[in-house]
Amino acid sequence: AQSVTQPDIHITVSEGASLELRCNYSYGATPYLFWYVQSPGQGLQLLLKYFSGDTLVQGIKGFEAEFKRSQSSFNLRKPSVHWSDAAEYFCAVGAGGTSYGKLTFGQGTILTVHP
Amino acid sequence: DTGVSQDPRHKITKRGQNVTFRCDPISEHNRLYWYRQTLGQGPEFLTYFQNEAQLEKSRLLSDRFSAERPKGSFSTLEIQRTEQGDSAMYLCASSSGTAGDTQYFGPGTRLTVL
Repeated sequence: AQSVTQPDIHITVSEGASLELRCNYSYGATPYLFWYVQSPGQGLQLLLKYFSGDTLVQGIKGFEAEFKRSQSSFNLRKPSVHWSDAAEYFCAVGAGGTSYGKLTFGQGTILTVHP
Repeated sequence: DTGVSQDPRHKITKRGQNVTFRCDPISEHNRLYWYRQTLGQGPEFLTYFQNEAQLEKSRLLSDRFSAERPKGSFSTLEIQRTEQGDSAMYLCASSSGTAGDTQYFGPGTRLTVL
């Protein structure tokens, strides 16, 4: 069974500082990996995804993530955080092969941005 | 692009009542998913459809839960004899149905069972 761990429940950064949100996954084969963001009262919005090819993935809003198979990680990064980035971030893993489709999400990381 | 829509956005009900939620996916998407999200947790998979066929149900989905997608377009999720533990956000997502595709989520229906 697949699983996702986001070790940090809450992270606080200052505006303009760099950001890294951690994600570790467990899956027996090559996974599909996703980062979603959820703002209060809003639905989940996809930031980026990895399913093959280049292990450094660029997403929307200046975010990027790197897939490291040896560490079973898919950490999300942003070089300079904006106040509007304050939200909850979810990492998710999707099964491949004939079982593709359903996503398993981590617990989420709440990001607070100080001015 | 109308996106995924869900109705109602909020539902308050008394324990023991039945409730039904509706999801309208992006029109060309043939996969439709239901997830449940409780406070402080990530979404948990409930079930999904490929066109009108329900292909997988989570063990989280008790016999009181039923989902349908009769014409391969919109879907309904019904909860019978609601319990306080059913209080959660119910999320719907749709996708094109290819491996590694993106699931687009609706705004969710927040259920409160009193």
